[in-house]
Amino acid sequence: DAKTTQPPSMDCAEGRAANLPCNHSTISGNEYVYWYRQIHSQGPQYIIHGLKNNETNEMASLIITEDRKSSTLILPHATLRDTAVYYCIVRAPKDTSYGKLTFGQGTILTVHP
Amino acid sequence: DAGITQSPRYKITETGRQVTLMCHQTWSHSYMFWYRQDLGHGLRLIYYSAAADITDKGEVPDGYVVSRSKTENFPLTLESATRSQTSVYFCASRSGPFTQYFGPGTRLTVL
Repeated sequence: DAKTTQPPSMDCAEGRAANLPCNHSTISGNEYVYWYRQIHSQGPQYIIHGLKNNETNEMASLIITEDRKSSTLILPHATLRDTAVYYCIVRAPKDTSYGKLTFGQGTILTVHP
Repeated sequence: DAGITQSPRYKITETGRQVTLMCHQTWSHSYMFWYRQDLGHGLRLIYYSAAADITDKGEVPDGYVVSRSKTENFPLTLESATRSQTSVYFCASRSGPFTQYFGPGTRLTVL
């Protein structure tokens, strides 16, 4: 698996955009970038994933650089409920037959009033 | 409601007792998973299932038994609970290669 690097923590003001970076300089051509988060005492939550094009859904946007060596998860209007640990994962669909997930240390995002 | 549910949400039991944690999903996803999460270890895969009647071991299967007679249910049984099995247990189902949807978790304490 490509190794990912995320800052250990970030702060964001409520209502502002939260931009969470992820470095994956060793990513290979068939590997996707996945983002999950885990709010305290809850199960991990899938947010978004992408290969090389930017992606947007109802939760967030994912911006992947042209060389695919880094990406940014954007929460456009952060709320207090977005306070969580955010995980960036890089995997290829055929890495395992069943899709085992491995979470690293992630980024603790704290949204302040 | 569509989604994935787990029961019970909280369970306290004693060493040596048998405990079954339930997991139910409404999407008809083929793949389902059981993870445990402990401080310092992150998320670890216990068992997974590719379809009804097809299950396989993950990283930490010892002491656990699973079954999957129906697509929507994937119970996890601790045959003889030990203190080291005190943990938070998450069930998940998969809609894509690495797109998994997790349940709310069961917090298990073994005394």
